[in-house]
Amino acid sequence: GDSVTQMEGPVTLSEEAFLTINCTYTATGYPSLFWYVQYPGEGLQLLLKATKADDKGSNKGFEATYRKETTSFHLEKGSVQVSDSAVYFCALSERGAQKLVFGQGTRLTINP
Amino acid sequence: KAGVTQTPRYLIKTRGQQVTLSCSPISGHRSVSWYQQTPGQGLQFLFEYFSETQRNKGNFPGRFSGRQFSNSRSEMNVSTLELGDSALYLCASSLTGEETQYFGPGTRLLVL
Repeated sequence: GDSVTQMEGPVTLSEEAFLTINCTYTATGYPSLFWYVQYPGEGLQLLLKATKADDKGSNKGFEATYRKETTSFHLEKGSVQVSDSAVYFCALSERGAQKLVFGQGTRLTINP
Repeated sequence: KAGVTQTPRYLIKTRGQQVTLSCSPISGHRSVSWYQQTPGQGLQFLFEYFSETQRNKGNFPGRFSGRQFSNSRSEMNVSTLELGDSALYLCASSLTGEETQYFGPGTRLLVL
C-alpha cells in the first residue's frame, strides 16, 4: 500500500537557522501531498499542500515542492523561530479514498 | 466558521468498558474521518463516513465502530477496551470532493 517516510527526529536548531525536513512517499497513483503541524496538546493543523507534480505549497514561510521524479515533498523554511517548535507530519491522500497516510512525524525544537 | 469540535477532550476508562467519542465537523463538510494516534504506531486511519455511510475502513478490529448522523456529526465507539486502546483519537472533516482534511483537537483516552 501507499506509504510515507520522514527523516528521523528529533531535530534541534537555533533560531534563524535554515530548516529542511525530508519526506518521501510510495504510491500507486498520483496522490495529493500535505504537511501538517501538531503543537503540544493539540490536534493537527494543515500547514501546506500540493496536488500535482511541480506544485509548490507555501504558508507562514514554509515551502514544499511536489517532486514526482524523486517522489519527495521536503519541507523547508529559511529562518526558523522558537514558535515553530512542534511535531511535523508529512502525509499523502490516497486517490478516491478520503484517507490520509502519515509519516512517523518529526519533532522540531528551536532554541533561542 | 467554527472548526471541528470533539467531545470529550479527555477520558479515563478501565479495561473491558466501552466508550463513545463525538465529533462535529465544520459546517458544510459532509465527510468525517477518524484517526488513532499513539507513540508506537503513529497516526493510523480508522474509518471515514459520508452521508451516513461508511466508505472506507482501516485495519482495526471490529471493537472499533462508528456512525454518522444526518447532520454530519459522527460518533465512534470502542467496546471491550484494552490497555492498548489508550491513544489520542482525532476526527477530521472535509468538503465533498476535496482531499484536504481539517482536524479537531482530539479526544485523549486513557485505559487503566
